[in-house]
Amino acid sequence: AQSVTQLDSQVPVFEEAPVELRCNYSSSVSVYLFWYVQYPNQGLQLLLKYLSGSTLVKGINGFEAEFNKSQTSFHLRKPSVHISDTAEYFCAVTHPGYSTLTFGKGTMLLVSP
Amino acid sequence: NAGVTQTPKFQVLKTGQSMTLQCAQDMNHNSMYWYRQDPGMGLRLIYYSASEGTTDKGEVPNGYNVSRLNKREFSLRLESAAPSQTSVYFCASSAGTTSNGYTFGSGTRLTVV
Repeated sequence: AQSVTQLDSQVPVFEEAPVELRCNYSSSVSVYLFWYVQYPNQGLQLLLKYLSGSTLVKGINGFEAEFNKSQTSFHLRKPSVHISDTAEYFCAVTHPGYSTLTFGKGTMLLVSP
Repeated sequence: NAGVTQTPKFQVLKTGQSMTLQCAQDMNHNSMYWYRQDPGMGLRLIYYSASEGTTDKGEVPNGYNVSRLNKREFSLRLESAAPSQTSVYFCASSAGTTSNGYTFGSGTRLTVV
C-alpha cells in the first residue's frame, strides 16, 4: 500500500524567510506526487505535481518541489514566504493506473511578521 | 466556473439522525470521491466512484453509504449519525486518471451532538 509521511505537523517561519516542507513516500514503483494547499475554511487547491521528467517542479505562488527517487522524497520549498502563505499543506501520492490519491497528515505553515 | 459544489456547508445533527451530503461537479469528470478531514489525521478516503455506475470503499467506509446518481452527482449518506462522524467532509472529482489530481469542493462541516 502506498503511504505518505509529512515529517512536520507545524512549521513556524518569519516573513521573507525561506521554507522547506518535507514529504516522504513509500513505494518501489512509479509514482505521481502532488502538493495541495488549504487556506482556512476552504477546500484544497493544487500547488504542483510531479508525473515524470524533470525532478524540479515549479508550481503556483512561487513554490517548487524536488523529486528525489533515491530518498523517496518530494519536499516543497519557497525562497521567501509571505504572510498570505499561512495555510495547511498536504502531500499526496498515487501510481499510474491507480484510482485514488493517498494524502499525508498535513503541515501547517505559520508565517509571522 | 462552479467546479465542485457541496451542500450544505454546515450541519449539526443529533446522534442517531440521518442525513445526505450532496456533491455535484460540472467538469464532465468521470471519477468522484468523498474524504473526511480530522485534525492531525489528514484526509481519509471514505468512498469513491471511478465511473458512473460504480462505487468502491475507501479507508474508512463504516457508517456511510454513497450513491452515484449520474455522472455529475455523488452523494454521501449517514444513516445513523454518531459523534465520531463529526468532521469536515470533502468531495472531489478527477477526469478519470489520477495524473490530473483532484478538484475539491469547499467542504461540509458536520457536527454530531
